[in-house]
Amino acid sequence: DAKTTQPTSMDCAEGRAANLPCNHSTISGNEYVYWYRQIHSQGPQYIIHGLKNNETNEMASLIITEDRKSSTLILPHATLRDTAVYYCIVRAPFLEKLTFGTGTRLTIIP
Amino acid sequence: GAGVSQSPSNKVTEKGKDVELRCDPISGHTALYWYRQRLGQGLEFLIYFQGNSAPDKSGLPSDRFSAERTGESVSTLTIQRTQQEDSAVYLCASSLVLGNEKLFFGSGTQLSVL
Repeated sequence: DAKTTQPTSMDCAEGRAANLPCNHSTISGNEYVYWYRQIHSQGPQYIIHGLKNNETNEMASLIITEDRKSSTLILPHATLRDTAVYYCIVRAPFLEKLTFGTGTRLTIIP
Repeated sequence: GAGVSQSPSNKVTEKGKDVELRCDPISGHTALYWYRQRLGQGLEFLIYFQGNSAPDKSGLPSDRFSAERTGESVSTLTIQRTQQEDSAVYLCASSLVLGNEKLFFGSGTQLSVL
């Protein structure tokens, strides 16, 4: 798996958009970008994934730069329940395992 | 069940004892994964199963660790002669098929070796 670089921690005010960056400068052409999050005392939860086009679902939006060397996960209206560690992962499709780094600890502030 | 179920949720054991951790995947999910998470760290891959194929054991840290899965049902992770460095949360996940992007995780087993 290509390596990713994320900030260790971030704060965001409740109700504002949370923008979580991820650098993956060595990503290969067939590797997808995945985002998971882990709320305290729970297992990780899938959020979204994409290849090169921007993606949106009920949880978040994923913006991938044209050169695919970085991406941003956007939580449009952050709530206190979004406080978690967010993991950015790159992986080629149909590989067997996801490799998790240490992620970004996002704290939503009331 | 509705999600991945792991038991026990907490296990305290003495150094040198054997422990067995259980994972019930989501019904119909053919792939099952075990990860370990030490305090304040990311997830460390241990092993995965896909149907009746031979498991990928490449992540198991030592021969004290083993895992079994019968068909597409329950899996058990066994740690023999536990050591203090085995203390961690052990997480199980399942997915429809191997390589599927969406893994569903259980809440984990917190193992403490005294």
